[in-house]
Amino acid sequence: GAGVSQSPSNKVTEKGKDVELRCDPISGHTALYWYRQRLGQGLEFLIYFQGNSAPDKSGLPSDRFSAERTGESVSTLTIQRTQQEDSAVYLCASSSSSGAGGETQYFGPGTRLLVL
Amino acid sequence: AQTVTQSQPEMSVQEAETVTLSCTYDTSESDYYLFWYKQPPSRQMILVIRQEAYKQQNATENRFSVNFQKAAKSFSLKISDSQLGDAAMYFCAYRRGDGNKLVFGAGTILRVKS
Repeated sequence: GAGVSQSPSNKVTEKGKDVELRCDPISGHTALYWYRQRLGQGLEFLIYFQGNSAPDKSGLPSDRFSAERTGESVSTLTIQRTQQEDSAVYLCASSSSSGAGGETQYFGPGTRLLVL
Repeated sequence: AQTVTQSQPEMSVQEAETVTLSCTYDTSESDYYLFWYKQPPSRQMILVIRQEAYKQQNATENRFSVNFQKAAKSFSLKISDSQLGDAAMYFCAYRRGDGNKLVFGAGTILRVKS
């Protein structure tokens, strides 16, 4: 596709429910990132995928958060037993090569999650 | 751990004027990259400009330029001839040379007055 796409654009859920957020990276991009943006704040790194290597999960805030990516395609971020503190915009980005250094990360429009 | 600080929560500029957004960072690394991203209300993060730490020359992209002061760990963004379309949240970000994740500042809201 022309850019990184994410779905859904907005998601409202009840506390305790599980949610799945989807990211379609730019075709051919081997690196994929998930970030979280709380209201009025900067982005926080969550997880990074590079090809078939083991993902860097160092930014995941709790074991309720998990993500998967099959090869160099779609990724899903799953939040189990959602809490109100999980309300945020979840942004996905992809880049074209190893992910190290100055390669530009291209961002999707994000999914705004609201936990009631 | 690396940190990025943007001390200006909000800035205003008159159309056609120049504005400078501040950013400082803290790192013990010598090899790194610095970025400015723009986030309009659509939420889409757009790369404005980037700077390699090993380059002394300040990066420039059309009306956007940076003042990179490596010793002071400062990386400010100058927007010349401001336009209404420049209104957005601007984020400064850092990336280690051999790293993957971006570390972001809290952002500066830029308002452009006509």
